[in-house]
Amino acid sequence: ETGVTQSPTHLIKTRGQQVTLRCSSQSGHNTVSWYQQALGQGPQFIFQYYREEENGRGNFPPRFSGLQFPNYSSELNVNALELDDSALYLCASSEDLFSEQYFGPGTRLTVT
Amino acid sequence: EDKVVQSPLSLVVHEGDTVTLNCSYEVTNFRSLLWYKQEKKAPTFLFMLTSSGIEKKSGRLSSILDKKELFSILNITATQTGDSAVYLCAVARGDKIIFGKGTRLHILP
Repeated sequence: ETGVTQSPTHLIKTRGQQVTLRCSSQSGHNTVSWYQQALGQGPQFIFQYYREEENGRGNFPPRFSGLQFPNYSSELNVNALELDDSALYLCASSEDLFSEQYFGPGTRLTVT
Repeated sequence: EDKVVQSPLSLVVHEGDTVTLNCSYEVTNFRSLLWYKQEKKAPTFLFMLTSSGIEKKSGRLSSILDKKELFSILNITATQTGDSAVYLCAVARGDKIIFGKGTRLHILP
């Protein structure tokens, strides 16, 4: 157990819809990162938040957006869902930008 | 473009064997290299390496980083069936973390 939780566990959405995924970091962890992992691939970095500000972003379009809240929770929002957005979405938290990350169990998103 | 390449992509060995997993990288503004084990969903942290030549060890697992040649290895000795998993290598730079595709390791009893 890493102390990082995600909700929901599974989600099915229709193409064009919007989705919000949630992550609760370990207490005291100021950094949260979000990843997309397609089947058989390594996690792809979406973005990272540090103290509620976006600190870095991977090669994902603007319809992927996020928020980090003062209570160590965060959200990943995806608008205008596409079939290729179907994947496991992982969040990971760390004490700061230089510490090891601890992953949550992930949310499996299926877009039909 | 930044990249992290792991080899082999898959490996099947017998229980008790020793395995070496490879990770090479080309990443600007390197900060650290990380190894994770992924069994079902959440990757679990194994090692973080920042300095060349210093071996990190945890039980039967060990890892070392070569910042001159831009690679790292993960060794697992006396493998057990519980070591079957995908092993992920990742490189952290200032503003992002880049993962390799992973090595799928299967240990036969």
